[in-house]
Amino acid sequence: DSGVTQTPKHLITATGQRVTLRCSPRSGDLSVYWYQQSLDQGLQFLIQYYNGEERAKGNILERFSAQQFPDLHSELNLSSLELGDSALYFCASSVGATREERELFFGEGSRLTVL
Amino acid sequence: KNEVEQSPQNLTAQEGEFITINCSYSVGISALHWLQQHPGGGIVSLFMLSSGKKKHGRLIATINIQEKHSSLHITASHPRDSAVYICAVSPAARQLTFGSGTQLTVLP
Repeated sequence: DSGVTQTPKHLITATGQRVTLRCSPRSGDLSVYWYQQSLDQGLQFLIQYYNGEERAKGNILERFSAQQFPDLHSELNLSSLELGDSALYFCASSVGATREERELFFGEGSRLTVL
Repeated sequence: KNEVEQSPQNLTAQEGEFITINCSYSVGISALHWLQQHPGGGIVSLFMLSSGKKKHGRLIATINIQEKHSSLHITASHPRDSAVYICAVSPAARQLTFGSGTQLTVLP
């Protein structure tokens, strides 16, 4: 058990809908990262938050947004869903944001299926 | 060309064999990670390396910064080691870039 909790584990929805994925980091970890793993693209970094502030942005679509709350949990919002958004979405956390503090702890992932 | 290349893509071994998975990268990095993804999908971080060698149980990870190459070794492999092993690098000031993974199957 990594200590990172993601909900829901599985989600099936239709095109055009909006979903919210939730992540609770390990106790004491200030950084939260979101990753997308699809069959054709592999694992890709989406976005990082550190202590409530956006720290880095990767290949995140404009239809997607995220935030980190004062209690450090994070939510990834996916809207106007398309078939191609079907993927595993992982959250990871780490103590800080610097290189030396970047050991990552991953959640079990949320499997999104868009029909 | 991908920034992170792993080889082999697929590997089948007999229980007890010594296994090596290789990772080459083309950018300067601050750290390299080895991850294990189980058939159910969950990801576990095995190692984070910035130089030298690390060992954890039957797993050994090495990195050669000058050659931009890392290896993950599994000694006395076991069927429970069957998983996808993913190499990921942290280029300076940028976020993780992932290799495409190596599917390892260890047969009893």
